[in-house]
This record gives sequence, C-alpha cells and structure tokens, in this order.
Amino acid sequence: AQKVTQAQTEISVVEKEDVTLDCVYETRDTTYYLFWYKQPPSGELVFLIRRNSFDEQNEISGRYSWNFQKSTSSFNFTITASQVVDSAVYFCALSGQVSGTYKYIFGTGTRLKVLA
Amino acid sequence: DAMVIQNPRYQVTQFGKPVTLSCSQTLNHNVMYWYQQKSSQAPKLLFHYYDKDFNNEADTPDNFQSRRPNTSFCFLDIRSPGLGDAAMYLCATSRVRVNTEAFFGQGTRLTVV
Repeated sequence: AQKVTQAQTEISVVEKEDVTLDCVYETRDTTYYLFWYKQPPSGELVFLIRRNSFDEQNEISGRYSWNFQKSTSSFNFTITASQVVDSAVYFCALSGQVSGTYKYIFGTGTRLKVLA
Repeated sequence: DAMVIQNPRYQVTQFGKPVTLSCSQTLNHNVMYWYQQKSSQAPKLLFHYYDKDFNNEADTPDNFQSRRPNTSFCFLDIRSPGLGDAAMYLCATSRVRVNTEAFFGQGTRLTVV
C-alpha cells in the first residue's frame, strides 16, 4: 500500500522554539519521491522540498531542514527558530503508483501554531 | 506573479444548481489536477489531465466533470451540487505526472446553500 502518515495533528510552539514535524511513509516502489508542502490560511499549497529515494542526504534551506531516513521510512521536517509566519498546515506527500496511475499521496497534515 | 490562477476565490451556489470553477496556468505544464479538500483533511484527487488525456479517480462521483479546452485552462463542473460538496477546490499543475512537484492555485472555496 502507498500511504503517508503524519501522526501529529496539531503542534503549538512559542516563537523562536525549534519544532519537528514527523512524516512516515509506506511504499512498494523502489524509486519514489517525497515532498513537503505548506498551506497557509490563504489556502494555496506552497511547495517546499522534493527528495528522491536515492538521495538520503539531509537538506537545509535557511531555517528549514529535512531528515530523510529510508531505514525508518521517515522524512521529517524541522523549523529552527520558528516565527509566527510559519503558522500553517504542513503536508507531507509521496509520489507513487496507485492502481496503475502515478499520483501524489498526501498525509493528513500537521497544523503548526507559532505563538508570539 | 501567480502561475496557477483559480477563479473565483469564493463561490456560493444553490443546492442542485450547476456551478463551474476555473483554473488557468502560465507554466505550460502538461498535467493539470483537481483536488477537493474538506476542513482539516488532506487534499483528495478528483481527476487529472495529462495533455488531453483525462484520468478520473474511481471514487469521484459522476456529479463532478472536467474540461480542458487547451493547455492553459481547466474547468471543474459540478452538475448538481449537494451540501456535501461544500469544500475547497484546488487546482494544481505539474510538468509531468511522475516524481515532480506540483504547483497549486489558491483554491476556490465553494459554499452550497
């Protein structure tokens, strides 16, 4: 089965705290891609990162970093020194084949609230 | 500049009255998607086009139809909206179907009264 699990429904932190959003996935594919999207209150899903299954290097982009571990099927997202503008719903997604068609399989999202 | 544009941002329609949502893109991407997203849920794929090739999800109700007259535009038609169809509808595009990121519009929030 192709599945993405984001166990954290909602997280609240105080500004400047670090926060990690968890993502666990299941797939039969040997080649696959993982994504993170941010959905602010305005509604648009904003692409943050894509990672392919052969590249387990961690990535850092400013205050954002991602930890991909195939051994545990996890692709976690950390925001360092969180800011109020980081408040949003964050979705982890897997690109995989379902019933013969490639599609994005989204997790249920984690709502992050950063309090001033 | 917005690359995937959805109109309108908010749509109120009457129960059973047909409604059309529109999406346009400036990215010249081959694939266009329509997702339905209800409150606090993940986006749910309704269908997608790869060029003119239409791909319907097995669980998408017949009440939902789509048209893609050209590369830039795609429409979602809801023939007889019910109260359960109230949701955010998201349009997205990607260059290809496989393993590339999708770009989303800001969505149309549909209210059925």
